[in-house]
Amino acid sequence: DQQVKQNSPSLSVQEGRISILNCDYTNSMFDYFLWYKKYPAEGPTFLISISSIKDKNEDGRFTVFLNKSAKHLSLHIVPSQPGDSAVYFCAASDSGTYKYIFGTGTRLKVLA
Amino acid sequence: NAGVTQTPKFQVLKTGQSMTLQCAQDMNHEYMSWYRQDPGMGLRLIHYSVGAGITDQGEVPNGYNVSRSTTEDFPLRLLSAAPSQTSVYFCASSQTGRAEAFFGQGTRLTVV
Repeated sequence: DQQVKQNSPSLSVQEGRISILNCDYTNSMFDYFLWYKKYPAEGPTFLISISSIKDKNEDGRFTVFLNKSAKHLSLHIVPSQPGDSAVYFCAASDSGTYKYIFGTGTRLKVLA
Repeated sequence: NAGVTQTPKFQVLKTGQSMTLQCAQDMNHEYMSWYRQDPGMGLRLIHYSVGAGITDQGEVPNGYNVSRSTTEDFPLRLLSAAPSQTSVYFCASSQTGRAEAFFGQGTRLTVV
């Protein structure tokens, strides 16, 4: 049973446009969410996080939105750059377990 | 600052062989974890540790053992390798279980 789902395996966006990556979760106990970026042959690197007490967190070109009632979060990248081409994972945890559950990832390709 | 170091980077094993994947971090992080990444499955948690001497199971612990005798090291042991354990393995560490995790570069394991 996949508790964290990224239903789009891949996404292509033109350089300069907005990239929107989506993530859905089923466990209502999840209260902390992170996004990671992964380049080929490298480990994932942390991008941005959001706590359930917020509905938005922004860091430069990256913004994460959280809709708790829909159990949905999204990562917006504006403007998209070719260097953003990577696989993006969302991850969720609850304060009781301190374990992160990852989604299956979305491969973003930014076209120059 | 080396961060999280995993060895080896690549390994081929025969079915039934045993081996240990090494993971070391130099950030004095209490929390360490092991994930495996398989196509279409995202990152799945194998085992984790919240401090020296304390370990617990993740989502897919069967066939793997861990120990945490020091803060720095968190080795993952495959007792009797099976083809189903062919995967890319990532070790990660974080200050707490809720903080961003730093990942190693991964170990690509093939079991034939």
